[in-house]
Amino acid sequence: DSGVTQTPKHLITATGQRVTLRCSPRSGDLSVYWYQQSLDQGLQFLIQYYNGEERAKGNILERFSAQQFPDLHSELNLSSLELGDSALYFCASSAGLYSNQPQHFGDGTRLSIL
Amino acid sequence: AQKITQTQPGMFVQEKEAVTLDCTYDTSDQSYGLFWYKQPSSGEMIFLIYQGSYDEQNATEGRYSLNFQKARKSANLVISASQLGDSAMYFCAMREGNEKLTFGTGTRLTIIP
Repeated sequence: DSGVTQTPKHLITATGQRVTLRCSPRSGDLSVYWYQQSLDQGLQFLIQYYNGEERAKGNILERFSAQQFPDLHSELNLSSLELGDSALYFCASSAGLYSNQPQHFGDGTRLSIL
Repeated sequence: AQKITQTQPGMFVQEKEAVTLDCTYDTSDQSYGLFWYKQPSSGEMIFLIYQGSYDEQNATEGRYSLNFQKARKSANLVISASQLGDSAMYFCAMREGNEKLTFGTGTRLTIIP
């Protein structure tokens, strides 16, 4: 058990819809990261938050947004969903910002767009 | 250019044998970290081992060790005495400075009884 909690585990929805993925980091971790894993793109970094502030952005679409709340949990919002958004979405957390700190991953949310 | 290269898409290894999974990386930073993760068929990502760019000794964690050759920019994962439960996808990843993790394409390891 990594200590990172993601809900829901599975999500099935239709094109054009909007969903929210939730992540609770490990106790004490201030950094939260979101990744997307798809068959054709592999593991792609989406966005990072540190202590409530956006820290870095990766290949995140404009239809996607995220935030980190004062209690440090984070939400990833995906809107106007397309078939290509079907993927496994991971949240990870680490204690801080340094390169020697491993990121611990949640079990992921598997999103299926019908 | 790819930052992380894993050249072995798949490997088959006999149970109880040692296995080496290859990883090469590309960075101009002096400070970086190298990580290996395991992803079983159930989907979760499990952190295995970490090597810092300034670490002089190779990292070890139980049956996992990291063969770090800085001049060659390689960070191979060695699993000793492989077990059936080691069958999974293995990802090498790098973190440069305070940036996000960049992952390789992974190696699917299958342990044969």
